[in-house]
Amino acid sequence: DTGVSQDPRHKITKRGQNVTFRCDPISEHNRLYWYRQTLGQGPEFLTYFQNEAQLEKSRLLSDRFSAERPKGSFSTLEIQRTEQGDSAMYLCASGWLNTGELFFGEGSRLTVL
Amino acid sequence: QKEVEQDPGPLSVPEGAIVSLNCTYSNSAFQYFMWYRQYSRKGPELLMYTYSSGNKEDGRFTAQVDKSSKYISLFIRDSQPSDSATYLCATDKGGTSYGKLTFGQGTILTVHP
Repeated sequence: DTGVSQDPRHKITKRGQNVTFRCDPISEHNRLYWYRQTLGQGPEFLTYFQNEAQLEKSRLLSDRFSAERPKGSFSTLEIQRTEQGDSAMYLCASGWLNTGELFFGEGSRLTVL
Repeated sequence: QKEVEQDPGPLSVPEGAIVSLNCTYSNSAFQYFMWYRQYSRKGPELLMYTYSSGNKEDGRFTAQVDKSSKYISLFIRDSQPSDSATYLCATDKGGTSYGKLTFGQGTILTVHP
């Protein structure tokens, strides 16, 4: 296993468009997390899944954001009607059930013009 | 006030120096403490993961946790130019919140030859 992979690595879009990011976690991990990181700041928790169940969503995750993890494997994060404030690095991480030891992907950088 | 405070630096040291990076936290519920290294435009990479107060050593890296003063540190011995990166401290409450990490802002470190 080569680690957590994310796609695309960089997405440039116009305000109002929808974007979707994909994350493939480390296969033996049963938890998958999404974080957002803006320039000069540490990552902030958005949401996480245990297998296919979405267990918690941060208040940072507005109604325009939706995350799924069908079949408990890969996950997608969709942002509808993007705004310039959505410009950030979206990081995916995976880990085992009873540990906070997370392994992050390289991130998907979003630029909203 | 943020739950985890970290001096953003930047910190510049000569090769071979001992580097000390620090964070403070305010929430006594935090039980697990981590240090991540993040190179420019890359995802965070886990360096150290600790639970209790005390020291944990791994090669040139030593993580120190003092729960009584809510202070966490990372020491890098014999620093190398390849250590130049942003260092992020992170905390975790554990239990049902495993993996819901709270990060510091990150400290930018430059090790010059």
